[in-house]
Amino acid sequence: AQSVTQLDSQVPVFEEAPVELRCNYSSSVSVYLFWYVQYPNQGLQLLLKYLSGSTLVKGINGFEAEFNKSQTSFHLRKPSVHISDTAEYFCAVSFLYNDYKLSFGAGTTVTVRA
Amino acid sequence: EAQVTQNPRYLITVTGKKLTVTCSQNMNHEYMSWYRQDPGLGLRQIYYSMNVEVTDKGDVPEGYKVSRKEKRNFPLILESPSPNQTSLYFCASSLGQGANQPQHFGDGTRLSIL
Repeated sequence: AQSVTQLDSQVPVFEEAPVELRCNYSSSVSVYLFWYVQYPNQGLQLLLKYLSGSTLVKGINGFEAEFNKSQTSFHLRKPSVHISDTAEYFCAVSFLYNDYKLSFGAGTTVTVRA
Repeated sequence: EAQVTQNPRYLITVTGKKLTVTCSQNMNHEYMSWYRQDPGLGLRQIYYSMNVEVTDKGDVPEGYKVSRKEKRNFPLILESPSPNQTSLYFCASSLGQGANQPQHFGDGTRLSIL
């Protein structure tokens, strides 16, 4: 069965420090990969997506993620965070045999402190 | 402005009192979906619709109904709400069909069933 695991539920980080949010998935079929961000009292907003091609994907707000097929991972990074990056981040995976199902991880709450 | 609009944003009600959460999108998207978000569980899909008059169950459909009579609208109906349906609900839509389409989310509806 397919699943999505975000390895950290809470990540506190100081302003201007780097951050990495880890996401692993289990699947024997090809996947599409997404990271979404949820700011307080808002819906989810797409940060970036991997569909094919280069394994390093750049998204909005300075975020990037790297797809590693052998390790079935899709970790999200930002080299220098801002206070405004405080939010919950969700990794999501779409499995090619089930076009309409987007499976989400449990989420990682990032808290940026001055 | 392209958006997914949910109403109401907040609702407190009592067990057994039928309620409807409306969802409307102005992007002419074919695919629409409902999710519920619970702490530590991420988002779980309730129902989805590939087009008008076409709906199907997601992972947690029990206790919910949907309809898709018009392309832009996809209401979520709780015929007899129970306390275990207290949650944050999101409607989403995407263009076309396929696992590679990112989804656009509404701002959420927080339901409390007493």
